Amino acid sequence: DTVLTQSPALAVSPGERVSISCRASEGVNSYMHWYQQKPGQQPKLLIYKASNLASGVPARFSGSGSGTDFTLTIDPVEADDTATYFCQQSWNDPRTFGGGTKLELK
Amino acid sequence: EVQLVESGGGLVQPGRSMKLSCAASGFTFNNYDMAWVCQAPKKGLEWVATISYDGSSTYYRDSVKGRFTISRDNAKSTLYLQMDSLRSEDTATYYCARIVGTYYYPHYFDYWGQGVMVTVSS
Repeated sequence: DTVLTQSPALAVSPGERVSISCRASEGVNSYMHWYQQKPGQQPKLLIYKASNLASGVPARFSGSGSGTDFTLTIDPVEADDTATYFCQQSWNDPRTFGGGTKLELK
Repeated sequence: EVQLVESGGGLVQPGRSMKLSCAASGFTFNNYDMAWVCQAPKKGLEWVATISYDGSSTYYRDSVKGRFTISRDNAKSTLYLQMDSLRSEDTATYYCARIVGTYYYPHYFDYWGQGVMVTVSS
C-alpha cells in the first residue's frame, strides 16, 4: 500500500503562514487531495489534485507538489482553522490517507 | 444542498452482521460513484469500498473483501454496506462519501455524511 506520512501536530499563531507536508512512499502523480476535519465533524474537501481549490474554500488555502512530496499551505492562519488535516492519494491501489496533522493555534 | 445521512450503526458482537444505509439527497444520485470510508476511534481515515454509479462495479480494501458488500438502490437514492463476520478491528465511525470521477481517476471525496458509529464487542 502507498503510505502517506504527515507530521502529527503543528502549533502556529493566528496570522502566520503554515505548511503541512505529506510524503508518499511511492509516486502518486498529481492525485493527492486534502481534507480538513474539525472535532466531532466529518471531513471536508479542501484541495483536489494537488493544487485545485475546492468550491467554497477560502483562498487562504493552497496546495502544491507532485510525485511523492506535497504541501498544504494556509496563509494567513485563522482561529477557525484549528482542525486535523488529512492527505489522500488516488493514484495507487488501495486509496490511502495520511495519518493526519493536528493544527493547533497558539 | 447535497446531503448524505447514514444510519444503522450500533453495538454488535464479533462474528455477527450489520447493515449500514446512507440516504442521499440534493443531487442526482445515479450519476455518481459512491464510497464508504471508516475512522477508528482517534485514528486516521481508511477507504473501505467504492461502487460505480450504476452498481455494476465494486472495489474493496483487502481487509474487508469477502466480508463486506457495498450496494446501492438508485430508485431510493440509497447506498448500503452489508458487514458480515465482524471483528473488533472493524470498530469505527463509517462515513458515506460522494466520489468525483470514477474509481480509477481522480477518485476523491467531495461530500461526506456525518458518520455512524459501529462498535464490535462482546
